Amino acid sequence: GQQLNQSPQSMFIQEGEDVSMNCTSSSIFNTWLWYKQDPGEGPVLLIALYKAGELTSNGRLTAQFGITRKDSFLNISASIPSDVGIYFCAGQQKGGSEKLVFGKGTKLTVNP
Amino acid sequence: NAGVTQTPKFQVLKTGQSMTLQCAQDMNHEYMSWYRQDPGMGLRLIHYSVGAGITDQGEVPNGYNVSRSTTEDFPLRLLSAAPSQTSVYFCASNQAGTGSTDTQYFGPGTRLTVL
Repeated sequence: GQQLNQSPQSMFIQEGEDVSMNCTSSSIFNTWLWYKQDPGEGPVLLIALYKAGELTSNGRLTAQFGITRKDSFLNISASIPSDVGIYFCAGQQKGGSEKLVFGKGTKLTVNP
Repeated sequence: NAGVTQTPKFQVLKTGQSMTLQCAQDMNHEYMSWYRQDPGMGLRLIHYSVGAGITDQGEVPNGYNVSRSTTEDFPLRLLSAAPSQTSVYFCASNQAGTGSTDTQYFGPGTRLTVL
């Protein structure tokens, strides 16, 4: 089946540092999504990307849809303690009703 | 809107028992899906539905059944629970379409333990 390779698997950073994580695939995706999951909760959508090359920001978060359509990255600038959680990338091959393929997640720990 | 709701929040079963995990959404979304989340595995798709009366298998469908009699509800049934089904289960929904409306909303999850 389709797989997304998400890295790194975990990160331990100091408050105020910038963070970068990425996802790659051997398949082309038409949509890339980035989610955050807090402990005991379901994933919440952070950023959605719909066009190759698209760069989208949401506050301190910036994500890009790779030109090849096979990768995406998420940056978090000036991290704060509430950024702690698991970040997932997900790819969708067609809009709307097509299945999502998820990466295995990046666990972020922010030390105050 | 309540969004996506799931019940129960926690459940413990014995091997061989059956149960149904409930999922409902009040956003009139056509597409609904069930995922399981295991440590280090991310989210894996179990079953999904593109509309009332239509269901299909995802990546890990064995041991699970689903039905979609209404737009709002998408229950997941475990006919004979096994310890390998110990996991956190998430239901999700989204509206089919293109462009910026394609977002998937997740429920809060059901934490299932099979002894």
